[in-house]
Amino acid sequence: DTAVSQTPKYLVTQMGNDKSIKCEQNLGHDTMYWYKQDSKKFLKIMFSYNNKELIINETVPNRFSPKSPDKAHLNLHINSLELGDSAVYFCASSRDTLRLEQFFGPGTRLTVL
Amino acid sequence: AQTVTQSQPEMSVQEAETVTLSCTYDTSESDYYLFWYKQPPSRQMILVIRQEAYKQQNATENRFSVNFQKAAKSFSLKISDSQLGDAAMYFCAYRRGGGSEKLVFGKGMKLTVNP
Repeated sequence: DTAVSQTPKYLVTQMGNDKSIKCEQNLGHDTMYWYKQDSKKFLKIMFSYNNKELIINETVPNRFSPKSPDKAHLNLHINSLELGDSAVYFCASSRDTLRLEQFFGPGTRLTVL
Repeated sequence: AQTVTQSQPEMSVQEAETVTLSCTYDTSESDYYLFWYKQPPSRQMILVIRQEAYKQQNATENRFSVNFQKAAKSFSLKISDSQLGDAAMYFCAYRRGGGSEKLVFGKGMKLTVNP
């Protein structure tokens, strides 16, 4: 009965590869987010989708492409991985864009070698 | 741009004691919200408490309470009767009012609870 789930939890890959992280929420929420937490624990928004539409797109390299096949899913695809992409990536959801509480997934630790 | 500052990277407290975590923010908005999130070693981000800027009364959730000083742009978190399970990273966050707004986080503070 996990509210927001992410797969995989750990991802180790070589520089230059392409990888995806999947996120699913079973809360019936309309809005989903991707955050990046760097090695110093700094947490920053990357993207936000509402009803499958992109509403927030921070200054993120275009190697990062979110995809929302439906309201319950927001996947993150990363092309040509770089060392600096190593971080923990969190997915989150909220009921809609006005609701304040965001529910976070367990995070995916990405390590680029 | 809005910024959130947590100036203390680490703190420690004895079990059953009280500890206060500080946070300041910078904004020109009048409609906004402030949050404290907890991140235990499990990595899960958990909402601890929320304060609406338009409310003068400080928010309280069981052992957790805030001291919201709007004029000073200060938002501190007080944890009473600290428990071992309170040990975690604590993040202060800001959100502008209205829809489609992002959370802006501080850099976090590591709290250690000593038995």
